[in-house]
Amino acid sequence: QQKVQQSPESLTVSEGAMASLNCTFSDGTSNNFRWYRQHSAKGLEVLVSIFSDGEKEEGRFTAHLNRANLHVSLHIREPQPSDSAVYLCAVSPTNSAGNKLTFGIGTRVLVRP
Amino acid sequence: EAAVTQSPRNKVTVTGGNVTLSCRQTNSHNYMYWYRQDTGHGLRLIHYSYGAGNLQIGDVPDGYKATRTTQEDFFLLLELASPSQTSLYFCASSDPGHHSGNTLYFGEGSRLIVV
Repeated sequence: QQKVQQSPESLTVSEGAMASLNCTFSDGTSNNFRWYRQHSAKGLEVLVSIFSDGEKEEGRFTAHLNRANLHVSLHIREPQPSDSAVYLCAVSPTNSAGNKLTFGIGTRVLVRP
Repeated sequence: EAAVTQSPRNKVTVTGGNVTLSCRQTNSHNYMYWYRQDTGHGLRLIHYSYGAGNLQIGDVPDGYKATRTTQEDFFLLLELASPSQTSLYFCASSDPGHHSGNTLYFGEGSRLIVV
């Protein structure tokens, strides 16, 4: 069964500094990765989706995927206090229905002004 | 604007009580899901559906029933609520045939407390 682990558990950054989050997965056949953001007990919003090795940028959010290393990361450029939230990594084997989706527990990010 | 709307947003019930959580989506998506979110466990799939009248079990279905009455409406039923079902519940929708694939679009959550 797919295992998805995120690190660090929590991260504090200053406004404007780069924030980097990590996600490792166990199923090397996975090819569908998404990063979600969750503000304080609210719903999740998708930030960036990536399906092949390399980099995918969506505004200030950039995902890097290295499937050989079973690793996907998220970098937040110029984070703002409004980016303070929990960030969740989601992994699935194909671009199929979400029943195959496995979520990490999340990284809590605090952006200090 | 397309959305996933859940109700109630907050609910307190007693052990053994009967609870129905409602979800409506206006995304015209075929798939709908119910998740629970608990500290230390992340999001866990309870039930999902790929259309009206269809129901599929997820990873943690025990103690839950669900019903998909229309493409828009998906309900989660707790017929004998227990304290272990105290959690934050999320509904989501997706359309695998769309270019967004299995991107899930979430509601704002329903917090349930069973005392």
